[in-house]
Amino acid sequence: DSGVTQTPKHLITATGQRVTLRCSPRSGDLSVYWYQQSLDQGLQFLIQYYNGEERAKGNILERFSAQQFPDLHSELNLSSLELGDSALYFCASSVRGYNSPLHFGNGTRLTVT
Amino acid sequence: AQSVSQHNHHVILSEAASLELGCNYSYGGTVNLFWYVQYPGQHLQLLLKYFSGDPLVKGIKGFEAEFIKSKFSFNLRKPSVQWSDTAEYFCALKGGGYNKLIFGAGTRLAVHP
Repeated sequence: DSGVTQTPKHLITATGQRVTLRCSPRSGDLSVYWYQQSLDQGLQFLIQYYNGEERAKGNILERFSAQQFPDLHSELNLSSLELGDSALYFCASSVRGYNSPLHFGNGTRLTVT
Repeated sequence: AQSVSQHNHHVILSEAASLELGCNYSYGGTVNLFWYVQYPGQHLQLLLKYFSGDPLVKGIKGFEAEFIKSKFSFNLRKPSVQWSDTAEYFCALKGGGYNKLIFGAGTRLAVHP
């Protein structure tokens, strides 16, 4: 168990809908990262937050947004969903610092039908 | 731009065979390098990491990796694989001031009894 909690584990929704994925980082970790894993794209970095502020942005679509709350949990919002958004979405956390590894949650599997 | 290349997409071995998975990266500055493993249906787990110092890094479960700066490589090795090593292996780097991890495409390892 990595200590990173993601909910829900599975999500099935229809095209055009909006969903919210939730992540609670490990105790003491200030940074939260979101990754998308799909068969054709591999593991793609979406966005990073540190102590409530956005720190880095990757290949995140404009239809997607995220935030980190004062209690350090994070939410990833996916809207106007398309079939191609079906993927495994991982959250990871780390303590502050360049040398700290990321610890990953179990992921949320999103299926868009 | 930072990038990670894993040249072997699928590797099939018999138990007790030796393993070497290739990883090359592209980044001109100081890097932190990681190997993660993803067992079927599970989240990514850290196998080992290189920050500085001894270029031969030992990780969990008998894995090791060697950082060769002149070759921009960080290959993963294990002298004798077991069936339980069947998983997908990801090489990743953090470069410069960036906190995000950049992942390679992954190598699927299947170990046959």
